[in-house]
Amino acid sequence: QSVLTQPPSASGSPGQRVTISCSGSNSNMGSNFVNWYQQLPGTAPKLLIFNNDQRPSGVPDRFSGSKSGTSASLAVSGLQSADEADYLCAAWDDTLKCWVFGGGTKLTVL
Amino acid sequence: QITLKESGPMLVKPTETLTLTCSFSGFSLSTSGVGVGWIRQTPGKALEWLAIFYWDNDKRLSPSLRSRLTITGDTSKNQVVLIMTNMDPVDTATYYCAKAQRLKGGSGARAYYFDYWGQGTQVTVSS
Repeated sequence: QSVLTQPPSASGSPGQRVTISCSGSNSNMGSNFVNWYQQLPGTAPKLLIFNNDQRPSGVPDRFSGSKSGTSASLAVSGLQSADEADYLCAAWDDTLKCWVFGGGTKLTVL
Repeated sequence: QITLKESGPMLVKPTETLTLTCSFSGFSLSTSGVGVGWIRQTPGKALEWLAIFYWDNDKRLSPSLRSRLTITGDTSKNQVVLIMTNMDPVDTATYYCAKAQRLKGGSGARAYYFDYWGQGTQVTVSS
């Protein structure tokens, strides 16, 4: 059971926009920033969004993040088949004194 | 170019001690605001943070595994080593090391995020 809650799956057609949610509590997302990772099949997680809504260099602006209170969202616009992957959220937890992760959302491009 | 690579045994027996080495390049562990952490991913895909070694030689361990973990860093060799004792089949997972970066103006563990990850190493615990 992951500390951060994500829907197990999401889907969309090429060109569409999809959003993936991540919910937590006051001790993690309510107090700290959220990061998002993309994990392609058989590979390591790759940083997609940090500090709620910032993109590392090289990440397309089709990916955007937002946070409000104890919930965060990752939006993927202009969906491409290459976007099929697991997407995970992460945050520091002040009570547990560790980084916590979501269980991941598998994005399928129809 | 920043790269990290994990190395260690693929198979360990229950009760044995696991030693994993993270060898990295493209950054220095003596640079302010940098760290190297260990995260594992179970076969069910769940991620669990284990430990982190910081630029100032500070270190943090997962509270739930603290009694079994040791982390050390060698700036001159560009390596961070994780030791986990008393291995159990439930510890079977892919173990990743990752570079940690502190947000500008941030302080404390909460200000860090993992920006580059190694390819991971699969560890199976079985007799």
